[in-house]
Amino acid sequence: SQTIHQWPATLVQPVGSPLSLECTVEGTSNPNLYWYRQAAGRGLQLLFYSVGIGQISSEVPQNLSASRPQDRQFILSSKKLLLSDSGFYLCAWSRGLAGGKETQYFGPGTRLLVL
Amino acid sequence: AQSVTQPDIHITVSEGASLELRCNYSYGATPYLFWYVQSPGQGLQLLLKYFSGDTLVQGIKGFEAEFKRSQSSFNLRKPSVHWSDAAEYFCAVGAGGSGNTGKLIFGQGTTLQVKP
Repeated sequence: SQTIHQWPATLVQPVGSPLSLECTVEGTSNPNLYWYRQAAGRGLQLLFYSVGIGQISSEVPQNLSASRPQDRQFILSSKKLLLSDSGFYLCAWSRGLAGGKETQYFGPGTRLLVL
Repeated sequence: AQSVTQPDIHITVSEGASLELRCNYSYGATPYLFWYVQSPGQGLQLLLKYFSGDTLVQGIKGFEAEFKRSQSSFNLRKPSVHWSDAAEYFCAVGAGGSGNTGKLIFGQGTTLQVKP
């Protein structure tokens, strides 16, 4: 069976510090991978998605970047955090099927607080 | 452009009562539709999905949803709510077609509170 991991679970960082959140998937190959942010009281905003190693698409301009150095590893980064980067970050995966008939499966999330 | 609307931000029902959460979508072709549930501080868990076929879809935890093309709706229902159903519920729509990456558009969510 497939599992998805995110770490850390919680992170408190000062404004201006760097960020690295990691997401890994087990039990599948060549998945599509997604990063979402969920601000307090709001829905999910898709930040990045990836259909393969080194292939990253950005959905919204922002202070964040993503990388996919390995097939089942997805990293969310920032060089200098802003207060507005606070939120709950969710990673998800799907099987990468042709035709887009995809179901996304979510990780447990990382809560980021920027002070 | 695709969009999803969940008209009710917050709903309170009594334990044992029936539940219906509304979801309306905007999409030109046949959409792929999903309902997810999120407990506080947790990730999202898939409740059910509609891709094609029977418009009444059964999911986990006793939930069901009905796809109504004429109303562009995919409402979630449960005949008898349990206290453990208190959570946030998200409706989402995905686009099909070759080259699609499986991206989903989510509604803003409905928070369900269950009174004892």
